[in-house]
Order: sequence, then structure tokens, then C-alpha cells
Amino acid sequence: DTGVSQDPRHKITKRGQNVTFRCDPISEHNRLYWYRQTLGQGPEFLTYFQNEAQLEKSRLLSDRFSAERPKGSFSTLEIQRTEQGDSAMYLCASSLDPTGHPLAKNIQYFGAGTRLSVL
Amino acid sequence: DAKTTQPNSMESNEEEPVHLPCNHSTISGTDYIHWYRQLPSQGPEYVIHGLTSNVNNRMASLAIAEDRKSSTLILHRATLRDAAVYYCILRSSGGSNYKLTFGKGTLLTVNP
Repeated sequence: DTGVSQDPRHKITKRGQNVTFRCDPISEHNRLYWYRQTLGQGPEFLTYFQNEAQLEKSRLLSDRFSAERPKGSFSTLEIQRTEQGDSAMYLCASSLDPTGHPLAKNIQYFGAGTRLSVL
Repeated sequence: DAKTTQPNSMESNEEEPVHLPCNHSTISGTDYIHWYRQLPSQGPEYVIHGLTSNVNNRMASLAIAEDRKSSTLILHRATLRDAAVYYCILRSSGGSNYKLTFGKGTLLTVNP
């Protein structure tokens, strides 16, 4: 399977614990995105990487959230001191956008997501 | 990104065509119209996109109104596997267009 892979698929944790999710994008995709989706809502943008550089962070991404993409390959999203409001589906997407390619036309490929439940 | 308006839900019968509407009256001249869908327990999946002309691919067709203030995603023969939430998204050619701004979409139910 050469699609976007996310691990774990499900995570149950207690309030106050730290959690880390991993995303493996499609090989050679230079852009990687994290989104969060709560029940009944569409996904909301969290952050975006171009290669290893984190270029944008949503105001939804509080100080308890940190994302990395070392070496421009896989990415991790860590949530520290989890709260019940963090319960959601965390989605990762990637895209390949050569230099000069209009971003308005880019296609993002999503993983199946990590469902986080904070008790 | 400009706002889109979609019906909350629609229902169709298997093997019949489905027309999913989207209104985007504030669209600008350089905004692309994208459609994604999300099957149950899956991440969103790209369906189709266009700028001004109607577009066809193996999954669907996109009909864009002449004034571009609305568009319609057409599934020519709905199958049970097409049951999903369909999102209509505008992508501007400038600014923070790297991200997708999802609304609540249209929940499509396909009856056998």
C-alpha cells in the first residue's frame, strides 16, 4: 500500500497524559498537512510542512501541540497534557507540488486518521 | 477562502444519477472548485476539481455554472460505495491556499 499511513488508528488515554501520533506520507510528497475532525464537522486545518519546514500553524494548535517532520519524511504530532476537548480524529495528508505548480490545483491525499479519545 | 453552501443531506437510489449542488456566490475569478468525499471511518478522498469548464473523470463529472456562482457534482450511477459526505471547497490562487477549508458537506445516502 503506497497511500498515507497513520499510526495508531485508535488511541485511548487519560486526561493529562501525553500522546504522539505518526504519519507516513506518500513517498516523495514534499508537503504534509495535519487536520483535526470532531464528530459531525468537516476537518479543520492544524499545520503544514513543506519538506522539513513547518510553514503554518493554525490558532487551533495550542502550546500543548507540537508537530515535527524531521528530514522531510514522516511526521509526528504530539499533544501534551491531553484534555477531553482534544478528543477527535487527527488526519494527515500529503501532496506533491513541483515548483511552479499552482497550489490552488493541488490534490491532497489523506490517511485514515488516528481517533483519539481522552477519558 | 470564499464560502460554499451545500445541502446537509441527500438521498439517492442505487444505479441512478446523483446531482450534488454547491453554491459559491462570492467566488473570485481565480478560485478553483474542488470536491472531496469522506467515506465512513476513512479520511477525505479527492474527487474532482475545475475552474471554468465542465470536467469529467473516472469518478464523477463537475458541471460549473456560466457565472461560476454554483456547481454540481454528478455521480452518473450511484452505488452503495458512494455513500459518503461530499465536500465542495474553493481554493484560491493566492494567500493560504495550501490548506483545504472544509464545511459540513452533504451526507449522501444511497438506497439499495
